[in-house]
Amino acid sequence: GENVEQHPSTLSVQEGDSAVIKCTYSDSASNYFPWYKQELGKGPQLIIDIRSNVGEKKDQRIAVTLNKTAKHFSLHITETQPEDSAVYFCAATGGTSYGKLTFGQGTILTVHP
Amino acid sequence: GAGVSQSPSNKVTEKGKDVELRCDPISGHTALYWYRQSLGQGLEFLIYFQGNSAPDKSGLPSDRFSAERTGGSVSTLTIQRTQQEDSAVYLCASSLDSGGGREQYFGPGTRLTVT
Repeated sequence: GENVEQHPSTLSVQEGDSAVIKCTYSDSASNYFPWYKQELGKGPQLIIDIRSNVGEKKDQRIAVTLNKTAKHFSLHITETQPEDSAVYFCAATGGTSYGKLTFGQGTILTVHP
Repeated sequence: GAGVSQSPSNKVTEKGKDVELRCDPISGHTALYWYRQSLGQGLEFLIYFQGNSAPDKSGLPSDRFSAERTGGSVSTLTIQRTQQEDSAVYLCASSLDSGGGREQYFGPGTRLTVT
């Protein structure tokens, strides 16, 4: 089955700096890669996603890049704000895990004012 | 519109008791998923339903876990003879269908504590 590795496990930045979180996946047939933000006591919230036919996608301050050859994808947050502080999860699905998300271990992002 | 809702938000039960957790998906979504989030295992898939097809139960950790979806909408996850290792947050998600690349939207979860 699919295996997703996520790094770093914790990330601390100053407000206004950029933050980058990286994930690798194992199943070359995976074709959908969402990112979720989870705040304390809440369920994961979908913030951006990318499909395997696209190399990069941007939505305001957040962007995701995908390298299918290397089987890795990354989340980029620019001009970070304190409200960006949360746990971020990457995930992958497709191929043999059709419909089922396999998640990375999560990154605790702290943005200091 | 209304998102995915789950009830109860918190459940404390004694070891050996049965529990039922409920999920109401987004209206019109035909696919429904259950995941479990625990400190040791992270976010892991349990089971999913797609329309009238047989559910994919490949993630259920033991035969004490079961789920059903009535009328293609509401789903109930049942854990029989609960054990302390069942303590976790149980998350439900729904999507338009289970086709590759369909966005999954999560509910707030049910925090289960087995004492």
